[in-house]
Amino acid sequence: GAGVSQSPRYKVAKRGQDVALRCDPISGHVSLFWYQQALGQGPEFLTYFQNEAQLDKSGLPSDRFFAERPEGSVSTLKIQRTQQEDSAVYLCASGMWTGDTDTQYFGPGTRLTVL
Amino acid sequence: SQELEQSPQSLIVQEGKNLTINCTSSKTLYGLYWYKQKYGEGLIFLMMLQKGGEEKSHEKITAKLDEKKQQSSLHITASQPSHAGIYLCGADGDSGAGSYQLTFGKGTKLSVIP
Repeated sequence: GAGVSQSPRYKVAKRGQDVALRCDPISGHVSLFWYQQALGQGPEFLTYFQNEAQLDKSGLPSDRFFAERPEGSVSTLKIQRTQQEDSAVYLCASGMWTGDTDTQYFGPGTRLTVL
Repeated sequence: SQELEQSPQSLIVQEGKNLTINCTSSKTLYGLYWYKQKYGEGLIFLMMLQKGGEEKSHEKITAKLDEKKQQSSLHITASQPSHAGIYLCGADGDSGAGSYQLTFGKGTKLSVIP
C-alpha cells in the first residue's frame, strides 16, 4: 500500500517568507508526528496529532511554527517569517496507535533551505 | 530528558564482514526502535524492541535489548552494499505517557565496500 507522502520534496525560501509543508499519512493511521532533522543529526520531535487533535506541541521551536490536521488525515506544517536556522529536513510520520505501541512510519521528508 | 548515544559514529566495512552498532540510553527504555535512512530519503522502520532481553531478526539484521533495558545493539551478518546508510535508534517516552514521540540518537553511518 501507499506509504507516507510529503510535498514539496524540496523548498527554497527567502528569509522572511512563509512556507507550508504537506503530509499525507498512511490511510487509517490515527497518529501523526512532525520532526525536524538538521544535517548530521537525528530527527527532533516537533508536534503530535491524534486524529485532528494536536495533543503535544512542546517541540515547536517558536510561535512562527504552526501545524494543523483539520480532518484527521492530511497535515500541514506552516513556518512564518522563515529564518536561516529553519533550514532542515522536515519529516512526517504516521502510526496506528494500538494502546501499547505506536510504530511510526516516516515519509521522505521536505528539505527546506532558507536563503 | 532522555538521551541516546550511538557508537560508532561511522563505520566502513568490507562486503561480507559482520558488524555491530550500539545504542545506549541515559534512562530505562520502554520502546526502542531501529531505523535506516539513506541520503535524501525518509526513515525505514527495521525493528522495535520492548522487553528486557528481547531479540529480533529480519534477514541478516538482528537487534537486541539488554536485560536492564538501557542498551540495544544492531548486528548485521555478512554485510552487503545494500546495507549502507545511516542507522538510527529511537526511544519513546514513559509507557502510558502522552504522545510517544521518539527521541533519536545522532545515527551511525555505515559504508560497505564491495
